[in-house]
Amino acid sequence: DAGITQSPRHKVTETGTPVTLRCHQTENHRYMYWYRQDPGHGLRLIHYSYGVKDTDKGEVSDGYSVSRSKTEDFLLTLESATSSQTSVYFCAISWTGGYNEQFFGPGTRLTVL
Amino acid sequence: QKEVEQNSGPLSVPEGAIASLNCTYSDRGSQSFFWYRQYSGKSPELIMFIYSNGDKEDGRFTAQLNKASQYVSLLIRDSQPSDSATYLCAVYGNQFYFGTGTSLTVIP
Repeated sequence: DAGITQSPRHKVTETGTPVTLRCHQTENHRYMYWYRQDPGHGLRLIHYSYGVKDTDKGEVSDGYSVSRSKTEDFLLTLESATSSQTSVYFCAISWTGGYNEQFFGPGTRLTVL
Repeated sequence: QKEVEQNSGPLSVPEGAIASLNCTYSDRGSQSFFWYRQYSGKSPELIMFIYSNGDKEDGRFTAQLNKASQYVSLLIRDSQPSDSATYLCAVYGNQFYFGTGTSLTVIP
């Protein structure tokens, strides 16, 4: 298995609270991604990073921010969580932007009450 | 219109049969195409990727790409109960887009 961990694995929080999810890799891959997966929508890209301090928006970035201060860590922050952000969040890594496979982390199940 | 469309299924095939999974995409400039398998409660894992028109075979799996028709498919030969999962089609143009997945059940 690719060395990708996500923390926390499960979280329940209340509407309006800030939440930060962490993705940590030991593979030294340049690209890192945050996805959310919801029934009927599949996997949707939130944000991605192509290097330290280099990030860009994905398909569903509203309400989310990211930071990458080290190659191995990619943080996803919900500044003020809403119930619509209840989802399973997956981190992924890849060597290149679109020509190699992505390796996925185990996922974080987030519930916003 | 969604970027990537898949028939959600469920698709059921008997053990030993061929399972055929289909995917269409809207961005004609898409460059690379991936098939992932996802077991319930688990993360996606890559089965195959394909870049060029035609077929690519890997064991029991064959990916087929037709860029003119904007169509990519996955054939699973000699289907096994362990192939029962959701299969996700992913397409890369300027970013990754995933389909909603096709649920496959292989009946012993």
